[in-house]
Amino acid sequence: ILNVEQSPQSLHVQEGDSTNFTCSFPSSNFYALHWYRWETAKSPEALFVMTLNGDEKKKGRISATLNTKEGYSYLYIKGSQPEDSATYLCASRRTGGSYIPTFGRGTSLIVHP
Amino acid sequence: DADVTQTPRNRITKTGKRIMLECSQTKGHDRMYWYRQDPGLGLRLIYYSFDVKDINKGEISDGYSVSRQAQAKFSLSLESAIPNQTALYFCATSALGPLDSTDTQYFGPGTRLTVL
Repeated sequence: ILNVEQSPQSLHVQEGDSTNFTCSFPSSNFYALHWYRWETAKSPEALFVMTLNGDEKKKGRISATLNTKEGYSYLYIKGSQPEDSATYLCASRRTGGSYIPTFGRGTSLIVHP
Repeated sequence: DADVTQTPRNRITKTGKRIMLECSQTKGHDRMYWYRQDPGLGLRLIYYSFDVKDINKGEISDGYSVSRQAQAKFSLSLESAIPNQTALYFCATSALGPLDSTDTQYFGPGTRLTVL
């Protein structure tokens, strides 16, 4: 995978549901993987940065895991709330160049009350 | 007060006009970036700057130019705007050098540009 890919593109869930989505990235020359949360009419804000294979990060009901060998990261939201509605972006950084992040297209999550 | 500000927030212009989008930051960060966001395409990098004397092209620099007037200011210009440059433009900063794997970006509020 040369690009950063996110799936699904969009997701509708009911309040209280748990959900997860995927970020796939190039496993070669891996350096770091970032997750950002982007609410409508606001700016993207950093959620997590992960650097080591097997990393797990948690912030409240949101958690993320990282597999650098196979090139994927999962973002989990436990007990989704309407305020979790946002687009979740991941960005991959690789060594051997400028270390600039490459962003995926995002997963749009809508949580219905 | 916002740490990363962008002006204008919204702009409508006509094809062929020159337009400048400005970004200022009070975070004291050396690294600054310009991205554009199109529906369904995510954030794409236009230009980035590691310090005042350093300017680099990103993925989609054609049709754009930038100026880093000071550590705190990074401007994006469209010399002759065209309709397919209609997009949401974000400025971002980051504090740490490329060799710090935890380097995180901080985004401005965005500028919505429409080229008629």
